Amino acid sequence: SQQGEEDPQALSIQEGENATMNCSYKTSINNLQWYRQNSGRGLVHLILIRSNEREKHSGRLRVTLDTSKKSSSLLITASRAADTASYFCATKGTGGSYIPTFGRGTSLIVHP
Amino acid sequence: ETGVTQTPRHLVMGMTNKKSLKCEQHLGHNAMYWYKQSAKKPLELMFVYSLEERVENNSVPSRFSPECPNSSHLFLHLHTLQPEDSALYLCASSQDNPGLGYSPLHFGNGTRLTVT
Repeated sequence: SQQGEEDPQALSIQEGENATMNCSYKTSINNLQWYRQNSGRGLVHLILIRSNEREKHSGRLRVTLDTSKKSSSLLITASRAADTASYFCATKGTGGSYIPTFGRGTSLIVHP
Repeated sequence: ETGVTQTPRHLVMGMTNKKSLKCEQHLGHNAMYWYKQSAKKPLELMFVYSLEERVENNSVPSRFSPECPNSSHLFLHLHTLQPEDSALYLCASSQDNPGLGYSPLHFGNGTRLTVT
């Protein structure tokens, strides 16, 4: 069953601005992953954060995890037109299904 | 450039046809996955293979039949599909046993399937 749910569904910003996407989930997790999908392509893994971590950075990406609120956020700083894509979170539960489950994604458009 | 290759990229088939989707991974991974992506719906997990053994079958109709002859290849055989089966079918692989869930999934670029 679906775990992560991204918010907002769509986000439109200007180049140079920051973009923030959120992910909420329902049950305890082992880790949470963020993926990106360009139109007509497969998903590409961006970053994994474990349940005992609170923040992680990778280049212009910053991911936070709040297990008490069952939520995560992905921040893209100084966005570029090339960041235009859909972004998905995937969660792996601590029990039951061990396969990452994905949400519907956030569609990000960065205007040049 | 992805280490997971899917063919064909596009496929149009009638409801009475039989076709197969192919996936090949060049990453030495142990697990392979089929996902279905329909517009405005979450990615749906269909099948998971670990070391060529099916470990997950997510209540998928029997008109979809997976085959994993070795750890590098995965097929999805299709027959008597319905128009609502039109979607992007994505193959993925991961290094470790799906039960560990620590290694990320590597996706192919998908097959865009249209059922007429």
